[in-house]
Amino acid sequence: KNQVEQSPQSLIILEGKNCTLQCNYTVSPFSNLRWYKQDTGRGPVSLTIMTFSENTKSNGRYTATLDADTKQSSLHITASQLSDSASYICVVSAHGTYKYIFGTGTRLKVLA
Amino acid sequence: AAGVIQSPRHLIKEKRETATLKCYPIPRHDTVYWYQQGPGQDPQFLISFYEKMQSDKGSIPDRFSAQQFSDYHSELNMSSLELGDSALYFCASSLQGTKNYGYTFGSGTRLTVV
Repeated sequence: KNQVEQSPQSLIILEGKNCTLQCNYTVSPFSNLRWYKQDTGRGPVSLTIMTFSENTKSNGRYTATLDADTKQSSLHITASQLSDSASYICVVSAHGTYKYIFGTGTRLKVLA
Repeated sequence: AAGVIQSPRHLIKEKRETATLKCYPIPRHDTVYWYQQGPGQDPQFLISFYEKMQSDKGSIPDRFSAQQFSDYHSELNMSSLELGDSALYFCASSLQGTKNYGYTFGSGTRLTVV
């Protein structure tokens, strides 16, 4: 069964600190993996898109890694800001389909 | 740059009424996806269309139907609304076959059923 699991479920950090969010998937055959940031009540905003051959991709203070062998991805946020408070969703798509499997999400809260 | 446009932004309906949500994809995008996100829940895939044909179907209730028109915009029709249909409905669009699998969400339509 295609599944995407994220950890932790929720996370609280102080402004300026770094954090790492995890995403494990069993989707096969793998096509690509996306990290989205979703503010409450808003549509998800794409942070990174990674294909099988990509190990690391950065977008400003966000750095995503992908290990296709262990089927794990991480999203590292550097020097967190209050505006980083949001849900971070990992989405994996299977090759040859139009379906996207959403992860359970990590709810991040950055405190001043 | 043009984004995925959804209308209306907010909608309030009574139980057993019908609602129609619209989605205008990014120009030249040929695929549209509909998602439902209940309060405190992750988005759930409902249905998708590629080149005006249904390409995949998720957890869409039988009371709902959708279609994609010749201009690639899509409409989600919801009938016999129930309180549990209150949710944020997202539309996303993409262009199949592109290297980056461009996939962009709209800002959503918040449906409240009272």
